[in-house]
Amino acid sequence: QKEVEQNSGPLSVPEGAIASLNCTYSDRGSQSFFWYRQYSGKSPELIMSIYSNGDKEDGRFTAQLNKASQYVSLLIRDSQPSDSATYLCAVNQENQGGKLIFGQGTELSVKP
Amino acid sequence: GAGVSQSPSNKVTEKGKDVELRCDPISGHTALYWYRQSLGQGLEFLIYFQGNSAPDKSGLPSDRFSAERTGGSVSTLTIQRTQQEDSAVYLCASSSGRRTYGSPLHFGNGTRLTVT
Repeated sequence: QKEVEQNSGPLSVPEGAIASLNCTYSDRGSQSFFWYRQYSGKSPELIMSIYSNGDKEDGRFTAQLNKASQYVSLLIRDSQPSDSATYLCAVNQENQGGKLIFGQGTELSVKP
Repeated sequence: GAGVSQSPSNKVTEKGKDVELRCDPISGHTALYWYRQSLGQGLEFLIYFQGNSAPDKSGLPSDRFSAERTGGSVSTLTIQRTQQEDSAVYLCASSSGRRTYGSPLHFGNGTRLTVT
C-alpha cells in the first residue's frame, strides 16, 4: 500500500463546476496535510494546509480532513481553465521530522 | 532572499561525470529538503537538513549521492559518476520549522539534470 494515494486522473470538469480531489494516507499518526498545485514544467506551489479535522476554506478552495478515515480532500469551486494543473497531496508522518510524503498527483483539466 | 533559489536551472552532463546542484533557502528557514521528480512521476524524498545536520538521509538512492549544508543556509547536492537514470528535476525546498509536525515546504524552481 502506498503511503499517500491519489487518483492519477485526468479529472475533467467544465468551467464553473466544482472539482473534487481526493487523497488517502496510511500513517494514522500523521499530523499535517498539504495541497500543492503544479503546472506543467513548474515547481509545486502550496495552496492549502490543514491540521485538524473538518473544513478549511480559502477563497475558492476548501480542504477537508477526516483523520478517522485517513482521508483529505480539496474542493475547487467555480473552476477556471487556469486551475488546470496537477494537484499533489502531501502528508507529514508521525516521527518523521518535517519531511513530507507526496502522492503521485491528480491531473485536473478544466474545459472552457 | 524572497524565495528558494536553485542553480543551475538546467544541467546537461555526460555519463560518469560528477555534478553539483546548489540551493539557497528562504532567509531564516532552518529546515531544507531535497526531492527528485522524474518525468511524469511524483516527488521522491532524498534528504533533509535541520540546521547543518541531516537527520534523515533515507531517500538518497545510492552512495553516489551526497549533500551538505553549511552555515545553516546554502546546501549542495552532489552526484558522483552520473548515470542516465539520474536524469530528473531536482527540487529544493525550505521551511521555517516552527511547527513540531510539518511546516509547509516552499519549493525552488528546480534543476533539470540530463545525463547523456
